[in-house]
Amino acid sequence: AAGVIQSPRHLIKEKRETATLKCYPIPRHDTVYWYQQGPGQDPQFLISFYEKMQSDKGSIPDRFSAQQFSDYHSELNMSSLELGDSALYFCASTARRGEETQYFGPGTRLLVL
Amino acid sequence: AQKVTQAQTEISVVEKEDVTLDCVYETRDTTYYLFWYKQPPSGELVFLIRRNSFDEQNEISGRYSWNFQKSTSSFNFTITASQVVDSAVYFCALSEINDYKLSFGAGTTVTVRA
Repeated sequence: AAGVIQSPRHLIKEKRETATLKCYPIPRHDTVYWYQQGPGQDPQFLISFYEKMQSDKGSIPDRFSAQQFSDYHSELNMSSLELGDSALYFCASTARRGEETQYFGPGTRLLVL
Repeated sequence: AQKVTQAQTEISVVEKEDVTLDCVYETRDTTYYLFWYKQPPSGELVFLIRRNSFDEQNEISGRYSWNFQKSTSSFNFTITASQVVDSAVYFCALSEINDYKLSFGAGTTVTVRA
């Protein structure tokens, strides 16, 4: 079965650079969630989209922005990167907001030097 | 406030032993969903099981079983006859009806020794 696709899988950036992470949900899934997992920590919710509209917002820095496109894929844009942004970024998708299991992609491992 | 508490930080067992992971949650909603996810050393988050608040029936799925008790707000997870491949971090998570994001516990690291 098709799973959530995330790209790139690994990313190395310098401080103050920008990064764009992409997420392609499972086919026919219309809701996308973004999570950030720091080293040794549990995943923390950043932001979610339902039918191309932002639906919920968590502890996402103002330096980060995201959107969901007409084909339901989503992009997380991160600017002015800081060392503390180094983390594993997960995207998850569901078929119906709030009522279905969130299936996670493999994650993008971001390292900021 | 932490909505999901996993009191066990690490558990180490020998292969074929059973492992029970504790999870206690906190919510004011009457409708909510509870999950267990597995994160192996490779890093991906793998869905294991889900339980709806209105269904307290406990089940067994292969070597996995769970014990959901609303009276004590607990959602414990058991791996029977553990195997080395079960070594991973296990997260308990909660999703509330009006707050669809997942709130994770801190995770329990399970190490299964051969």
